[in-house]
Amino acid sequence: NAGVTQTPKFQVLKTGQSMTLQCAQDMNHNSMYWYRQDPGMGLRLIYYSASEGTTDKGEVPNGYNVSRLNKREFSLRLESAAPSQTSVYFCASSEKGGRETQYFGPGTRLLVL
Amino acid sequence: AQSVTQLDSHVSVSEGTPVLLRCNYSSSYSPSLFWYVQHPNKGLQLLLKYTSAATLVKGINGFEAEFKKSETSFHLTKPSAHMSDAAEYFCVVTLDSGTYKYIFGTGTRLKVLA
Repeated sequence: NAGVTQTPKFQVLKTGQSMTLQCAQDMNHNSMYWYRQDPGMGLRLIYYSASEGTTDKGEVPNGYNVSRLNKREFSLRLESAAPSQTSVYFCASSEKGGRETQYFGPGTRLLVL
Repeated sequence: AQSVTQLDSHVSVSEGTPVLLRCNYSSSYSPSLFWYVQHPNKGLQLLLKYTSAATLVKGINGFEAEFKKSETSFHLTKPSAHMSDAAEYFCVVTLDSGTYKYIFGTGTRLKVLA
């Protein structure tokens, strides 16, 4: 039981390049989330997927797109990376929303030059 | 609107002494509250959660937190700090079912001195 896995662990991009961050969970959870973590700001929600086939914007969606490929997988795409997107990205999942515990992946460190 | 404030960005304690990490929340409804721990270069791990059952919540590794509605607080405590407790701690608030927006505090970095 791997929980929530993320790939890659670390990535360096040049401004304007694109990339996709992958996330998968094996807990049969309905809901999945993408967060970014910046120093002194806690975690901020980028997008979430309440259930398979649905996605919604969070607090900081600009510059990102997401795809809920199936119940297990939820990807985050940067179409044209900017230095302001340098951050640590975490994927999480939960049984559903509200009072449910979120389970987090190990994170992807992204540096945009 | 919901919000959560972690009152200290950094806390230092000596090994074997008590730990107190403070969290205040603002919510118009009955909240759910969580404490997560993040060790360096790792993901977040749940320590404990409050979901309107007992107001004193016990978590992993000897941590506990007390929900005080009158003070809108959910402070995290541990009687005796261990070196392995050095990490960053996040307080999180959310409303009842139907929401998918968990509000994170800005974190408290705990340093444990030998």
